[in-house]
Amino acid sequence: DAGVIQSPRHEVTEMGQEVTLRCKPISGHDSLFWYRQTMMRGLELLIYFNNNVPIDDSGMPEDRFSAKMPNASFSTLKIQPSEPRDSAVYFCASSDTRRGLEAFFGQGTRLTVV
Amino acid sequence: EDQVTQSPEALRLQEGESSSLNCSYTVSGLRGLFWYRQDPGKGPEFLFTLYSAGEEKEKERLKATLTKKESFLHITAPKPEDSATYLCAVQSSGSARQLTFGSGTQLTVLP
Repeated sequence: DAGVIQSPRHEVTEMGQEVTLRCKPISGHDSLFWYRQTMMRGLELLIYFNNNVPIDDSGMPEDRFSAKMPNASFSTLKIQPSEPRDSAVYFCASSDTRRGLEAFFGQGTRLTVV
Repeated sequence: EDQVTQSPEALRLQEGESSSLNCSYTVSGLRGLFWYRQDPGKGPEFLFTLYSAGEEKEKERLKATLTKKESFLHITAPKPEDSATYLCAVQSSGSARQLTFGSGTQLTVLP
């Protein structure tokens, strides 16, 4: 299995621009998570989908952030407009809740907003 | 609110020098406690899931244990390739399926 695939691996953008991060979960997994990692705050959950439906988006910082999961094999996290304080590593993770509780992470997207 | 505290923040060991990492947690009903390893520039890599007090899991030089308040990750005779940040996370019965992570222990094993 290829694991969770994220793209791009690195993104540098100017303040005010729209940024879209992409994720392909592990095939057959029913849950998908977006996390953000910073030195100051560690790993924080942004949003959780189950069977393509958003279940908990209480971690989304503000309305500039939005996430979609149009089908079981694809999800996006969009930031519009981006700000320098959004600079972080964004991880996507998936799990098969019918088999276990553990989540498997992608390699992350390092976002830098200048 | 679920809370996870890891100690120490950083640990330097000589190759072969065994030690333990600590993860203290507060949850409203534990569904599972997880250990991950994270290498620089990579995503967290799943190591273990522990479900109930008294449970133990082993993988190579690593052994994870669980009590009602904390978990330990024991590293026996570590090698330089064990150097990484080790993350602990919990999932509680009141949190749907998401994980709450600790801030991690950065382990360095010197040759």
